[in-house]
Amino acid sequence: QSVLTQPPSASGTPGQRVTISCSGSSSNIGSNTVNWYQQLPGTAPKLLIYSNNQRPSGVPDRFSGSKSGTSASLAISGLQSEDEADYYCAAWDDSLNGSVFGTGTKVTVL
Amino acid sequence: QITLKESGPTLVKPTQTLTLTCTFSGISLSTSRVGINWIRQSPGKALEWLALIYWNDDKRYRPSLKSRLTITKDTSKNQVVLAMTNMDPMDTATYYCAHEGDFWSGLFDYWGQGTLVTVSS
Repeated sequence: QSVLTQPPSASGTPGQRVTISCSGSSSNIGSNTVNWYQQLPGTAPKLLIYSNNQRPSGVPDRFSGSKSGTSASLAISGLQSEDEADYYCAAWDDSLNGSVFGTGTKVTVL
Repeated sequence: QITLKESGPTLVKPTQTLTLTCTFSGISLSTSRVGINWIRQSPGKALEWLALIYWNDDKRYRPSLKSRLTITKDTSKNQVVLAMTNMDPMDTATYYCAHEGDFWSGLFDYWGQGTLVTVSS
């Protein structure tokens, strides 16, 4: 039922770069900014990236975001074991008149 | 510092109405552009946005659940209440409230810890 589509899983070894995609439409990503959230096991989600590519204070610069057209991406460079979590994209949807989340991607550090 | 905390029943029976309260500090719903959202997550599933209320009482709802949801605010108590009618076992989830970081943005910069609600007879 999620409007934004993400790959269910991604993985890498420590130090590698991992990229997660988020595909939407003209009514959400195509016309609004994208935000990314990290959810560690058993905890509430945490804002990771806002306004497509901005990092809140305290978020390591290993995390970066980008957007092009109706898609967005989150990149984690220099993957660390503590990055093992679920990641969600989100945006406002002008047609639904509300926020929409992605399907979520589980990142595993091998 | 902005903090939010959800409260309400942990167990409700099918067909009952769920009432959840979000109590927050560090912000005021009498201040322009402040908004509070409700978001839920069923076990093992993705996040699902439910509802939003702004300082000016502007309200938005998830279209598929709009007939069952009511969001209200009590500015004097720094609280936002979500009511969901006709609860079903499929509504079993952790319910979060979150501060809207920017107008109509999907930007949730502060979250409560969440409260698990189980729907079962």
